[in-house]
Parts: sequence; C-alpha cells; structure tokens
Amino acid sequence: QSALTQPASVSGSPGQSITISCTGTSSDVADYNYVSWYQQHPGEAPKLMIYDVTNRPSGVSDRFSGSKSGNTASLTISGLQAEDEADYYCTSYTSRSTYVFGTGTKVTVL
Amino acid sequence: EVQVVESGGGLVQPGGSLRLSCAASGFTFSTSWMSWVRQAPGKGLEWVANIKYDGSEKHYVDSVKGRFTISRDNAQNSLYVQMNSLRDEDTALYYCARDGARGFAFDIWGQGTMVTVSS
Repeated sequence: QSALTQPASVSGSPGQSITISCTGTSSDVADYNYVSWYQQHPGEAPKLMIYDVTNRPSGVSDRFSGSKSGNTASLTISGLQAEDEADYYCTSYTSRSTYVFGTGTKVTVL
Repeated sequence: EVQVVESGGGLVQPGGSLRLSCAASGFTFSTSWMSWVRQAPGKGLEWVANIKYDGSEKHYVDSVKGRFTISRDNAQNSLYVQMNSLRDEDTALYYCARDGARGFAFDIWGQGTMVTVSS
C-alpha cells in the first residue's frame, strides 16, 4: 500500500489561507469518505484535526476545514497563525480494511 | 483523564523480539478499536495494525504481516503488540491510538515508546 501523496511543504503569511492536498487512489481516498488530518508539532504526538473528510472534533479551531474531490482530499487553514506551524498528515481508510497515511507536509508561517 | 500510555520499547538486535504495551484509562476501552502507528526518526507516520474491541478482527500493514501480532486484554484495559523477527527498518517511535470513536480516525494518542533495532 503506497503512501498518499502530499506536498512536502506549504507556506503562508499570518492571516492568509493555505491548502494542503492529499492524493490517493480508487482503493482509498476516492472510495471512502474516511479521510482524517493530523497536526504534529516537533517532539509531540499527532493531534486529530479533521475526521471523515469534513468533521472537526470539539476543541479544534474552525479555521481548519476539510474537503474532498475524487481521489484528492484537502485541508484548508484560514487566518494562518504562528501556532499553526507544524507537520500535517492525512490518512485514509482503504479497501483492504487498513489505513494509509500521507507523506506529510511541513507548514511554515512566514 | 482520557489517556493511553505506551511502554516496552528498547534496543534489540536484528532478528530479535519485543513486546510493547499500551495502558488505557479514562474511556471505555472494551468498546474501542485500537491501533498501533509508528514513526521512524525524522520520517512520517505509518499505520501498523489495529484490533476490534472484542479482539475478533485484526488488520496489519503488509510489511509486518507474519512478524507482528496485535492483541488486547479488556479486563486490564491494555493493548499489546508482539514484534518478532525485527529488522532495522522497524526502528521507530511506536504510538498507541484509539481508532474509530471519531469516525474512521485516531483521536487519542500516547507519547510513544521507542524501538531501536541495531546490532
């Protein structure tokens, strides 16, 4: 099972919006609305930001939103803040009843 | 407090074995799917395995099939993974995570336990 494809890095200025893409296949992203997104700061455990493509757990800022079109899911961070600088990973449930993570994206706040 | 705490990591030689444990508290462990996720030093996240709340279903990533065995003890609120025939590429921080309580996602994570495979 190959990792989902994410851009290695995305950057933006404070207050701007950025979007991170996550491209999979017909065996995962395209076939299931089970894409989730995680934020990981250095030295910390991942934190769930979005589940089932568009849902935000309680306590997660509404500046984070998710969407999907075909085999590509996206995470948008609006009103970018310094604290958003972190690594972000997508994951999808697959047709083999497993999960596959994305390659990860480093977000830099300029 | 809702949490999971991993333990059992360490240094092991190639071909060796290790058993990791994960102690859960603050939520109903016996009705929760659970997963192991690993992260090699400086690399991304990789899902390793999961187990249904009653232990009747288990799934693995291809790279560990036949070598790793996930299990649980609901009476002890504990999750395990027995890792045999360890390889250099199994070197990673291993996280325990609750699976499926928030859709198909991992909503509770521990701090991880480090496994180093080296001679």
